[in-house]
Amino acid sequence: QKEVEQNSGPLSVPEGAIASLNCTYSDRGSQSFFWYRQYSGKSPELIMFIYSNGDKEDGRFTAQLNKASQYVSLLIRDSQPSDSATYLCAFQGAQKLVFGQGTRLTINP
Amino acid sequence: EAQVTQNPRYLITVTGKKLTVTCSQNMNHEYMSWYRQDPGLGLRQIYYSMNVEVTDKGDVPEGYKVSRKEKRNFPLILESPSPNQTSLYFCASRRLKNEQFFGPGTRLTVL
Repeated sequence: QKEVEQNSGPLSVPEGAIASLNCTYSDRGSQSFFWYRQYSGKSPELIMFIYSNGDKEDGRFTAQLNKASQYVSLLIRDSQPSDSATYLCAFQGAQKLVFGQGTRLTINP
Repeated sequence: EAQVTQNPRYLITVTGKKLTVTCSQNMNHEYMSWYRQDPGLGLRQIYYSMNVEVTDKGDVPEGYKVSRKEKRNFPLILESPSPNQTSLYFCASRRLKNEQFFGPGTRLTVL
């Protein structure tokens, strides 16, 4: 079993809709979770982090964490074409950040 | 401005010619690491360092060396590059257990 599982996509969402990205992880001891956005050929950019169960909102982005289910998600409201990118989830392992493979998101105008 | 810098950003070289990719951060972060990213394989950690003079192997260390003589710098050394090391490389830094920041990337081609 992979440490972090993400649907690789591509996930296609119409402009203005809600994009929902999901991630499951295997390490029950993980305390910190991160969402990165990566445009093609560019470096990953941190957009959200969450440490506690529940929801965390920042502008159009909401991160949701459920430690019991080992599940973290990212919702993007009012999706814009500029949100088209690959989204990487990551959790804090014992010595390093463990990344998923990423989900490619396309927002269609 | 808080940042991680890498140089060079693009490099084309030939098999066997030693090269160094520099990485520097100005955030006084303890933890630094190097990743490579290849299509379909995601981000794979090469080496990491938890502080000065403390380095350890990541998931794909073969063919690479690193050093951490100063807190701000973490160079990646390829003693004898081979074509399978053609990749996009990222340096990253963070405070322990906190969010990680990436450099802009170095695209390396080994002919």
